[in-house]
Amino acid sequence: KQEVTQIPAALSVPEGENLVLNCSFTDSAIYNLQWFRQDPGKGLTSLLLIQSSQREQTSGRLNASLDKSSGRSTLYIAASQPGDSATYLCAVGDYGGSQGNLIFGKGTKLSVKP
Amino acid sequence: DVKVTQSSRYLVKRTGEKVFLECVQDMDHENMFWYRQDPGLGLRLIYFSYDVKMKEKGDIPEGYSVSREKKERFSLILESASTNQTSMYLCASRRQEGLRNTEAFFGQGTRLTVV
Repeated sequence: KQEVTQIPAALSVPEGENLVLNCSFTDSAIYNLQWFRQDPGKGLTSLLLIQSSQREQTSGRLNASLDKSSGRSTLYIAASQPGDSATYLCAVGDYGGSQGNLIFGKGTKLSVKP
Repeated sequence: DVKVTQSSRYLVKRTGEKVFLECVQDMDHENMFWYRQDPGLGLRLIYFSYDVKMKEKGDIPEGYSVSREKKERFSLILESASTNQTSMYLCASRRQEGLRNTEAFFGQGTRLTVV
């Protein structure tokens, strides 16, 4: 059964720092991997989607990479800002699940200090 | 922009009540999902639907049912609400392109409290 892990569970950095969030998964047979952002008490906002045939995707200050063979993805945030403070979730769409269900990690709570 | 709208942000219901959570998407997506999110447990799939009137159980379907009579609308039903169903409920939708799964979009969430 696919398991998704995000380490660390929480991260605090000063404003302006570049940072990397990590996501690992146990079964490399995946359709895709998606990164989300969640603000407290709110729904999920999609940040980036990487298909299994891709190695990375970029959107503004965000860059996500995917290494299927090692079961890892990273989300790189450049020049962090206080507005980036949120919980970041990665989710894997895998073949084993029903119709490409997303399997989520428990998230990394990011705090960017001014 | 894709929009997934959940009918309520906050709900308070009594134990034993029948509860309906509604979700509507405006992008003609085939797949729709209901998750619940609890501290320490993350997001868990309750049910999903891949077409009108079609549904499949997720990881935690007990105590829930769903209805999809129209493509844009997916309803989650708590047949007899219990306090252990107090949670954040999240609806999502995505387009199905053959075997290729596309980006999933989520609603704003419904915080349900059962007293």
